[in-house]
Amino acid sequence: EVQLVQSGAEVKKPGDSLKISCKGSGFSFTSYWIGWVRQMPGKGLEWMGIIYPGDSDTRYSPSFQGQVTISADKSINTAYLQWSSLKASDTAMYYCATLLGYCTNIMCLGGLDPWGQGTLVTVSS
Amino acid sequence: QSALTQPPSASGSPGQSVTISCTGTSSDVGGYNYVSWYQQHPGKAPKLIIYEVTKRVSGVPDRFSGSKSGNTASLTVSGLQAEDEADYYCSSYADSHNLGVFGGGTKLTVL
Repeated sequence: EVQLVQSGAEVKKPGDSLKISCKGSGFSFTSYWIGWVRQMPGKGLEWMGIIYPGDSDTRYSPSFQGQVTISADKSINTAYLQWSSLKASDTAMYYCATLLGYCTNIMCLGGLDPWGQGTLVTVSS
Repeated sequence: QSALTQPPSASGSPGQSVTISCTGTSSDVGGYNYVSWYQQHPGKAPKLIIYEVTKRVSGVPDRFSGSKSGNTASLTVSGLQAEDEADYYCSSYADSHNLGVFGGGTKLTVL
């Protein structure tokens, strides 16, 4: 079964650093792009970025460039999303998902399937 | 403000059909046949139901169908059932982003 399992909920303070994870199983992890999507409380979905674990090629949505870092460790089939200094506005549910499509050197096309169960990040003083 | 425009709500009675629109521009929806639709039940992760405008994901009932005309994509749910009550999001590749963009979401209520 193709599956993405994310790390558990986090409660952090403003200024803290954080790295959340997304572990894939049931498929060739190094052959698929893994994307990250944010959903703020009561709001819609937002593309954050995407990574190809095979060679760590990473793309960011303009709104998230410089705000987060996406990485992967292909030896353990795991992708990561990290912050160096959290803000209260980073409070959200974060999902990872596999791209059912492909990326060229300038664009990524296709839907996201399957999705991880989500990681809730709460940032509060 | 989301890049793609969806109505905030839609509704229908069991057995009826409902169509949800997703309006963009020639730089996203109208320019590429890579429109996807997602279903999200409360407290759950989104689930892909339609990709590449019209293709249904394996296991998704054929009551769900997708289409596109110009800069507007549509999701039609026929024979509404109680379990179809959920939030629905469209997504498309957009020239302004190197990744996709989502619509603001539509809350579908089964009356």
